[in-house]
Amino acid sequence: EVQLVESGGGLVQPGRSLKLSCAASGFTFSNYYMAWVRQAPKKGLEWVATISTSGSRTYYPDSVKGRFTISRDNAKSSLYLQMNSLKSEDTATYYCARHSDYFDYWGQGVMVTVSS
Amino acid sequence: DIQMTQSPASLSASLGETISIECRASEDIYSNLAWYQQKSGKSPQLLIYAANRLQDGVPSRFSGSGSGTQYSLKISGMQPEDEGDYFCLQGSKFPYTFGAGTKLELK
Repeated sequence: EVQLVESGGGLVQPGRSLKLSCAASGFTFSNYYMAWVRQAPKKGLEWVATISTSGSRTYYPDSVKGRFTISRDNAKSSLYLQMNSLKSEDTATYYCARHSDYFDYWGQGVMVTVSS
Repeated sequence: DIQMTQSPASLSASLGETISIECRASEDIYSNLAWYQQKSGKSPQLLIYAANRLQDGVPSRFSGSGSGTQYSLKISGMQPEDEGDYFCLQGSKFPYTFGAGTKLELK
């Protein structure tokens, strides 16, 4: 059974940093692209980042490019999202997702609140 | 960026009723479209991918169709467990973009 478990969320002040983690199990992690998708409270979904199987290629929307960094450790079956220079508009639930053409499996999500 | 316009924003259906949700892309996405269901407090679940392929384990009352810029999700016979939010996603090119969502309720 595919499982994705996020951690690392919490309350952070604007301008500060936070790093999210996602532990994957139930599939061969190194064979799949992985992604982060977020959802602001009572809002729709927004793709945040994608990383290739080896980690050599990364993709971001303009809204987070230069501030967020996606990375992975295939030996640990883990995915990460380093978020710097956080803004209030980054407040959302962040989901880790397996990216095989589409986001076919999602974690339960972790809440990030950016507020002073 | 490709814009995904989803309609309606909300929908109320009776038990057994057949409903449709539409997504229109701002350019041709070559059937690179997925549909998701999200129940309250839960993460999204993939229903349909590649416009019309049913994800494993999804009931056959769900179906997808469309091509080019126009796509639809059909539920043939509304069930109580189908209540929730539905989103489309274009996977044709980065940045991947979602529709704004449709809230489906049982009448």
